[in-house]
Amino acid sequence: QAGLTQPPSVSEDLRQTATLTCTGNSNNVGNQGAAWLQQHQGHPPKLVSYRNDNRPSGISERFSASRSGNTASLTITGLQPEDEADYYCSAWDSSLSAWVFGGGTKLTVL
Amino acid sequence: QVQLVQSGAELKKPGASLRVSCKASGYTFTAYYMHWVRQAPGQGLEWMGIINPSSGSTAYAQKFQGRVTMTGDTSTSTVYMELSSLRSEDTAMYYCGREAGSVDYWGQGTLVTVSS
Repeated sequence: QAGLTQPPSVSEDLRQTATLTCTGNSNNVGNQGAAWLQQHQGHPPKLVSYRNDNRPSGISERFSASRSGNTASLTITGLQPEDEADYYCSAWDSSLSAWVFGGGTKLTVL
Repeated sequence: QVQLVQSGAELKKPGASLRVSCKASGYTFTAYYMHWVRQAPGQGLEWMGIINPSSGSTAYAQKFQGRVTMTGDTSTSTVYMELSSLRSEDTAMYYCGREAGSVDYWGQGTLVTVSS
């Protein structure tokens, strides 16, 4: 089934800002909005943002999300070594009646 | 605190069936839907389906239709995911996750290896 599109990798310097993108369509990102998951190697995913710009309790304010049309973005400011991880976007697709994921972006903090 | 504890790792032969459990605690079990998501080695996340533990209603990803069954037991606050006709491509980490706007809590994962 169709998924969301994410760049495979993003690299940014320590203490700088990284912006990750996720492109879908009007049935998923453009309709329901997107959630973002962080996954460190060997661990389950962790929710860092949902419904475009809501941050779960305990998630740093350095993480913020937004949406413009069918594209969602996750911005991480003041990059720290522990931010290095895989990031997945996800959304409910109303035409597929399915939850769809992006392929993931590997964030490297230099 | 919310916890989702999954059953242990499994080694299965091709053609066999699999059942993974996910025991919930720390919240009202029937108030939240539960997703099942899998991740093949080195790959991304793949949605398998969702169950409403209160009603038992389910929705499955088209890819798994006919091969997956999700059930819930309200007496033990446990959901189950059964996958039949296993093949090597089903080798993956399987996760349950509580739906609350998105998946806010995840199980620790169950590693399933399909090999002859």
